[in-house]
Order: sequence, then structure tokens, then C-alpha cells
Amino acid sequence: AQSVTQLDSQVPVFEEAPVELRCNYSSSVSVYLFWYVQYPNQGLQLLLKYLSGSTLVKGINGFEAEFNKSQTSFHLRKPSVHISDTAEYFCAVSLTETSGSRLTFGEGTQLTVNP
Amino acid sequence: SQTIHQWPATLVQPVGSPLSLECTVEGTSNPNLYWYRQAAGRGLQLLFYSVGIGQISSEVPQNLSASRPQDRQFILSSKKLLLSDSGFYLCAWSQGYNEQYFGPGTRLTVT
Repeated sequence: AQSVTQLDSQVPVFEEAPVELRCNYSSSVSVYLFWYVQYPNQGLQLLLKYLSGSTLVKGINGFEAEFNKSQTSFHLRKPSVHISDTAEYFCAVSLTETSGSRLTFGEGTQLTVNP
Repeated sequence: SQTIHQWPATLVQPVGSPLSLECTVEGTSNPNLYWYRQAAGRGLQLLFYSVGIGQISSEVPQNLSASRPQDRQFILSSKKLLLSDSGFYLCAWSQGYNEQYFGPGTRLTVT
């Protein structure tokens, strides 16, 4: 079975600083990878996804992530954060060979951007 | 474009009362549908998923059940709520192997 580990439960940063949210996964087969963002009392919004092809994936709101197969990682980065980026971020994986695209989520990382 | 609706947005129910949460999807056909629960400060727990009408798979044994009476309608139910059923319930849909899209959620408080 696959699993996802988000290495930091909370990440505080100052506005305009760069940020990296770390995600590692474990799976014996190929996976698809996703990052979602959740603002308070709202549903999850897809930030970006890796299905195949280029390992550097660009998403919405200036975020990007890099798939590293050898290190089984999919870290999320943004070069300069804004106050409005404060939210919970979830990394998720699904098996490429499984019907129904069932996702396994990490426990989440709370990003807090301070002025 | 596709949209997903959930209602109600918030709900306060006493222990032992029944529950019915509804989720509908517009703009797509034969979607995969999912119910998740998110406890305070925690990640998402998959409760049920469905790949078609009347086809429900349960991930976690509990006092909740799910039904899919129509292609784009997914209902989460309980006959008797427990305090531990409190949480944020999210419905999601997907097509095939691709990403899931989430609804706005229902905040359930069992008192």
C-alpha cells in the first residue's frame, strides 16, 4: 500500500520569503502526485499535479513542485510568499494502475505567512 | 464547466439523531464520487467511494453509510449519530485516473 509523509506539520515564514513544503511518498508501483490547498472552512483546491513527463510541475498561485523518483519526493515550492498563501497544504498520491483514482493524503502542512 | 455542491454547509445535531448529507455534481457524467471526513487539525479520511450508480465501497467500518441513487448524486447517512461523528465532511469527484475535485464541505457538530 502507498503512504504519504509530509515532513513538517507547521511552516512559519515571513512575507516575500521563499518556502518549501516537503512531501515523501512510499509505493511499490508508479504513482500520480498532487498538491492541494485548503483555506479555513473550505474544500480542497488543486494546486498542481504530476502525471507524467517533465518532473518540474507548475501550478496556480505561483507554486511549483518537483518530482524526484529516486528520492520518492514531491516537494512544493514558491519563491516569494504572500499573506494570502496562509493555508493548509496537502500532498496526495494515487496509484496509476488503480481504477477510481483513490487518493492517499498526507497529514497536511500549515503554512503561516507573517508580515 | 463542472461544479460540485454540498448541503447543508453547517449542521448541529444531537447524539442519536439521524444524518443525511447530500452531494451533487454538475457538468459531467459517470463520475467517481467520494466522501471524506476531516477531524479538527487532521488530514482527510476516505469514508466511501463510488464508481457508478449503486456501487459503493466502504473504507472504514462505522455507523455511517453512503448511497448513490443517481449518477451525479451521492448521499452520506447515519441512523444514529455519535459524538465522534463530528467533523468536516467533504465530497469529491473525479474522472478516471485523474485528480479529484472537492466540494465546499459540511461542518457537522454532534452535541
